[in-house]
Amino acid sequence: QQQVKQSPQSLIVQKGGISIINCAYENTAFDYFPWYQQFPGKGPALLIAIRPDVSEKKEGRFTISFNKSAKQFSLHIIDSQPGDSATYFCAASMLLGSYKLIFGSGTRLLVRP
Amino acid sequence: NAGVMQNPRHLVRRRGQEARLRCSPMKGHSHVYWYRQLPEEGLKFMVYLQKENIIDESGMPKERFSAEFPKEGPSILRIQQVVRGDSAAYFCASSQRQGDNEQFFGPGTRLTVL
Repeated sequence: QQQVKQSPQSLIVQKGGISIINCAYENTAFDYFPWYQQFPGKGPALLIAIRPDVSEKKEGRFTISFNKSAKQFSLHIIDSQPGDSATYFCAASMLLGSYKLIFGSGTRLLVRP
Repeated sequence: NAGVMQNPRHLVRRRGQEARLRCSPMKGHSHVYWYRQLPEEGLKFMVYLQKENIIDESGMPKERFSAEFPKEGPSILRIQQVVRGDSAAYFCASSQRQGDNEQFFGPGTRLTVL
């Protein structure tokens, strides 16, 4: 029930294309869903986050789509760039309680020039 | 630079030795989280601390691991009698515990046990 399942494990996209990463969860008590970007040898950095009271949130080229009934959320990157090549992690937490983040297993994105 | 600081960045220990990992949170942050990342895996929560208090240690192994966040100084994650399976990247995050409680991560300590 505490798991967050992420797919695909790896993704190759051409420059200018759309990258889509999906996550699913079971625990309906989760109410905060961030996405983190991690470059090799670095710590994760918050990219964008959403709460379940909205179905979509957009920041620049990055959009989170949230489907509460299906318990799924996804990250869309439009106009993907080689600089977006990194590992992306979805996560979930409960804003009541310890706020600990439950992470997905990660998606390694490669954007080809 | 007011980011989360971790040291050392790399640590090599032999089996049976002790490892001490340090984390200084961002200025103004009094909440610290430790996560462990095994190669090719996601981050796994270990422990959540406030100053002088352990709030949630549900992710900590029952033996050999301990954590503290004293009133003065950095948070310390301590691993006694390390084994090869402890080799991983250990990340610390800090937050203000307001709003969405955004957690800011440090660069991590990469522990290698020989």
